[in-house]
Amino acid sequence: AQTVTQSQPEMSVQEAETVTLSCTYDTSESNYYLFWYKQPPSRQMILVIRQEAYKQQNATENRFSVNFQKAAKSFSLKISDSQLGDTAMYFCAFMKPSYNNAGNMLTFGGGTRLMVKP
Amino acid sequence: EPEVTQTPSHQVTQMGQEVILRCVPISNHLYFYWYRQILGQKVEFLVSFYNNEISEKSEIFDDQFSVERPDGSNFTLKIRSTKLEDSAMYFCASIRGGGYYGYTFGSGTRLTVV
Repeated sequence: AQTVTQSQPEMSVQEAETVTLSCTYDTSESNYYLFWYKQPPSRQMILVIRQEAYKQQNATENRFSVNFQKAAKSFSLKISDSQLGDTAMYFCAFMKPSYNNAGNMLTFGGGTRLMVKP
Repeated sequence: EPEVTQTPSHQVTQMGQEVILRCVPISNHLYFYWYRQILGQKVEFLVSFYNNEISEKSEIFDDQFSVERPDGSNFTLKIRSTKLEDSAMYFCASIRGGGYYGYTFGSGTRLTVV
């Protein structure tokens, strides 16, 4: 079974600064997908960024980027130019493709609560 | 942008009562999921559903839980006899293909069992 660990329960950052959220995972699989989800106070889980394990290039989506280290099983999220609207719970998630797509469930980390301060 | 809709947003129920949580997945999605998040804990997989039957379920999804898609649009989670420990946020999600581009989650239903 896969496990996902987020070692930082809470973090804070000043507006406009950069912050990095950590995530490590444990798996024996070589092909898998990694995601960062954001859960603002509105509670909805919103996809921030995704990474395919077989791609060495780190994913980037505007101010969000990842540092994917496959050998170290590390998948950190960097938020540049932090904005007040980035205040949320952030979850790292792992997905192993299965023989049927319905089995493609997500395994989540415990989350990191990020507070962006003005 | 298409959304997954969940109702109600908050439900309070007495211990031992049956509850039904409702979800309307995105119309052209084929795979449906329920996840649970107990306050302060991880989001946990409950069950996946495809082609009108359960595909996978976790240890949490015992005989007290059931899912169905009664009318081709709604996707429901029923808890037959609620316990205090069922208090949690319940998220519905749907995907069209393999979910490789991420799931679409609903806003969740907060279930409080008293």
